[in-house]
Amino acid sequence: EIVLTQSPGTLSLSPGERATLSCRASQSVSSSYLAWYQHKSGQAPRLLIYAASSRATGIPDRFSGSGSGTDFTLTISRLEPEDFAVYYCQQYGSSPRTFGQGTKVEIK
Amino acid sequence: QVQLQESGPGLVKPSQTLSLTCTVSGGSISSGSYYWSWIRQPAGKGLEWIGRVYTTGSTNSNPSLKSRVTISVDTSKNQFSLRLNSVTAADTAVYYCARDRSSGYYDYWGQGTLVTVSS
Repeated sequence: EIVLTQSPGTLSLSPGERATLSCRASQSVSSSYLAWYQHKSGQAPRLLIYAASSRATGIPDRFSGSGSGTDFTLTISRLEPEDFAVYYCQQYGSSPRTFGQGTKVEIK
Repeated sequence: QVQLQESGPGLVKPSQTLSLTCTVSGGSISSGSYYWSWIRQPAGKGLEWIGRVYTTGSTNSNPSLKSRVTISVDTSKNQFSLRLNSVTAADTAVYYCARDRSSGYYDYWGQGTLVTVSS
């Protein structure tokens, strides 16, 4: 199975700053079948990005995804207070689908 | 707006069967080309895909759990269900249900339900 490694584990930033989250796969993710989710404690995870760079419905354009092959990035251009959460990447190019361990974006 | 809600016992004894149901509202479980998935997250660990079901009843499961997992769908109730047998403490986790786009990502999730395996 494909192992996804997210870095850093925790990102401490201030509102208004840029956040860059990395997701590295142990083997190439076919067709860039990679998604990103935002998760706040006690809430349902929220789909942000699919197909590596396509924003899901209703997602603000400060969220962007990029990458291909084994290296993918989620960028939040300017952090809003509601963006502080845990972010997960997920590959669906091969079975079983797998998730990264998550990156926590916390207020500095 | 599609909403999903997990329900079931929060405590299961070791060696017994964990049973959860996901109720879908805001749309028919039978409409569109969607699968319906179960995903779990043990405390302090990452998310793990358990398996999925299509409205025809066709299923796929994670090989790591396949022998213990049964996923079924009841279109008349707009629900799908998970049964995981022979549970151990390692099955203690928050269990999520989610709508699974056929290509394999999840666009709607439930809030999750904690299931603890303990005697």
